[in-house]
Amino acid sequence: GENVEQHPSTLSVQEGDSAVIKCTYSDSASNYFPWYKQELGKRPQLIIDIRSNVGEKKDQRIAVTLNKTAKHFSLHITETQPEDSAVYFCAAQIDMNTGFQKLVFGTGTRLLVSP
Amino acid sequence: EPEVTQTPSHQVTQMGQEVILRCVPISNHLYFYWYRQILGQKVEFLVSFYNNEISEKSEIFDDQFSVERPDGSNFTLKIRSTKLEDSAMYFCASRVAADYGYTFGSGTRLTVV
Repeated sequence: GENVEQHPSTLSVQEGDSAVIKCTYSDSASNYFPWYKQELGKRPQLIIDIRSNVGEKKDQRIAVTLNKTAKHFSLHITETQPEDSAVYFCAAQIDMNTGFQKLVFGTGTRLLVSP
Repeated sequence: EPEVTQTPSHQVTQMGQEVILRCVPISNHLYFYWYRQILGQKVEFLVSFYNNEISEKSEIFDDQFSVERPDGSNFTLKIRSTKLEDSAMYFCASRVAADYGYTFGSGTRLTVV
């Protein structure tokens, strides 16, 4: 079956601390893993993504790691700022029987960064 | 940066009424999707559309739902007879090709009363 588990559901950190959000996926054929940031009432915004041929990717304060063997991937935010406060969703791309693909989302993590 | 645009941003409808949600994907994108998000929950796949036909649909996408690309730019989601449980945020998404990133629209908040 297709499933993406995400933990924690809520995460509170002090400004300047690091935040780590973890996801696991069930479909071993998944090959694309984006992370989205969603502010209240707004669209999911892609913040970083990783493909299965890469173990780690970094973009300034944001990094994503992928362990294909364990079917885990994680989002790391360093030097957090209050404006990082949002709900973060991980997703895994699933290949469907039709040959097409879709994203399956995790349940979301509400990150609160306190000044 | 090109955007996926959705209209209306918010729609309130009576139970049993038909609604049409509209999306204008990015112009050179070939794959189109509808997702929905019930308040406080995760984003769920509804349907994918390629080459003017549905390529995949979820269990949620029953006979009350339909999608159409009536011209070269618009992509619509129709709900024939809305139910209270259809209340959600509906997001359109598109991408240029397989294995490329997905761009989401700003969403339509549908409230069924």
